[in-house]
Amino acid sequence: SYVLTQPPSVSVAPGQTARITCGGNNIESKRVNWYQQRPGQAPVLVIHYSSDRPSGIPERFSGSNSGNTATLTISRVEAGDEADYYCQLWDSSSDHYVFGAGTKVTVL
Amino acid sequence: QVQLVESGGGVVQPGRSLRLSCVASGFTFSYSGMHWVRQAPGKGLEWVALTSYDGGNKYYADSVKGRFTISRDNSRNTLFLQMNSLRTDDTAVYFCAKDSSRLGTYSSSSDWGQGTLVTVSS
Repeated sequence: SYVLTQPPSVSVAPGQTARITCGGNNIESKRVNWYQQRPGQAPVLVIHYSSDRPSGIPERFSGSNSGNTATLTISRVEAGDEADYYCQLWDSSSDHYVFGAGTKVTVL
Repeated sequence: QVQLVESGGGVVQPGRSLRLSCVASGFTFSYSGMHWVRQAPGKGLEWVALTSYDGGNKYYADSVKGRFTISRDNSRNTLFLQMNSLRTDDTAVYFCAKDSSRLGTYSSSSDWGQGTLVTVSS
């Protein structure tokens, strides 16, 4: 089945830019979603269709997808962005949704 | 606004059954695909099952196929997950989530409930 690879952790100083990668075979051909999950809370969709922002999500969150890597970029990072971030997509070969293992973003 | 409220979690012995419910409000339930997603303690998210808007198409993770059944009652705005032959590795918080589309495939989960904890232990 399709595998999504994320780094376990990313650390970033406030005001800087965090980039979280999600690797997968020819992932550029797929629609990638990104979810933010703060401790003890339900996930929140922050990017869908690889680069679209749902209403209410700050413009600081953006997504891109090329080759074998999709990327979630958080600009001007704030303390409130500290959370786990998961990529996800629909794998048509197995008719399953697949999640990456998640990346913990720490704001220094 | 969209509200999803799960219930039915609890402590259950291995091999037994449990039925989860998710009551939806704030949107037209019968127009949306719906998911169950779970999260074991301290672990990541795992997609469990998907039903299309009318229940006509259902999909399951390999880890639950043949043991779990997703269903919906559009007249009661309620999503269900019937879990049979439970194992200790089914212990998790179970979230229901609304899909952005009717069919639920090639899509995303736009809204989530707060989850209900299922603990499988002897």
